[in-house]
Amino acid sequence: EVQLLESGGTLVQPGGSLRLSCAATGFTFGKYAMSWVRQAPGKGLEWVATLSSGSGTVYYADSVKGRFTISRDNSANTLYLQMNSLRAEDTAVYYCAKDPYQISVDWFDPWGQGTLVTVSS
Amino acid sequence: DIQMTQSPSSLSASVGDRVTITCRASQGISNYLAWYQQKPGKAPNLLIYGASTLQSGVPARFSGSGSGTDFTLTISSLQPEDVATYFCQKYNNVPITFGQGTRLEIK
Repeated sequence: EVQLLESGGTLVQPGGSLRLSCAATGFTFGKYAMSWVRQAPGKGLEWVATLSSGSGTVYYADSVKGRFTISRDNSANTLYLQMNSLRAEDTAVYYCAKDPYQISVDWFDPWGQGTLVTVSS
Repeated sequence: DIQMTQSPSSLSASVGDRVTITCRASQGISNYLAWYQQKPGKAPNLLIYGASTLQSGVPARFSGSGSGTDFTLTISSLQPEDVATYFCQKYNNVPITFGQGTRLEIK
């Protein structure tokens, strides 16, 4: 069974930094692109970033470009999201999600359970 | 950026009803559309991709149709466990964008 488990979410002050992790099990992690999607409290879904299987291709939403960095360690089956210069509007549940192909702009399946990031002083 | 607009924003229907949710793209996206179901406090779950391909394990009462700019998600016979918020997502290019969601309740 494919499972994704996010961690690292917490309360952080505006301007601060945080790194989220997503541990993957149940599939050959290194063969698939992976993504982060977020959801502000009571709001809709917002795509954040996508990274190809070999880390050669990366896409970011304009809202996070230059502040967030997606990366992966295929030997550890783990996806990361380094978040810098955090703003109140970054407050959200952050989900990691598996893409269907190695390099893809596609649908997401499955999703992790999410980790909450709160940016507040 | 291509905007995705869902309608209605919410709806209430009775068990056994046929329910239709629509999603409109501001530009043509061929069939690069997915639908998700999100139950309260849970992560989204993929229902349909390619506008009409049912994801493995999803009940056959769910179906999708459309191409270009107009898409629909249909539940042929509403069940109590279908109470959720439904999102469409376009993926023809970046940025990937989602509709604002449709909250479905049982009458």
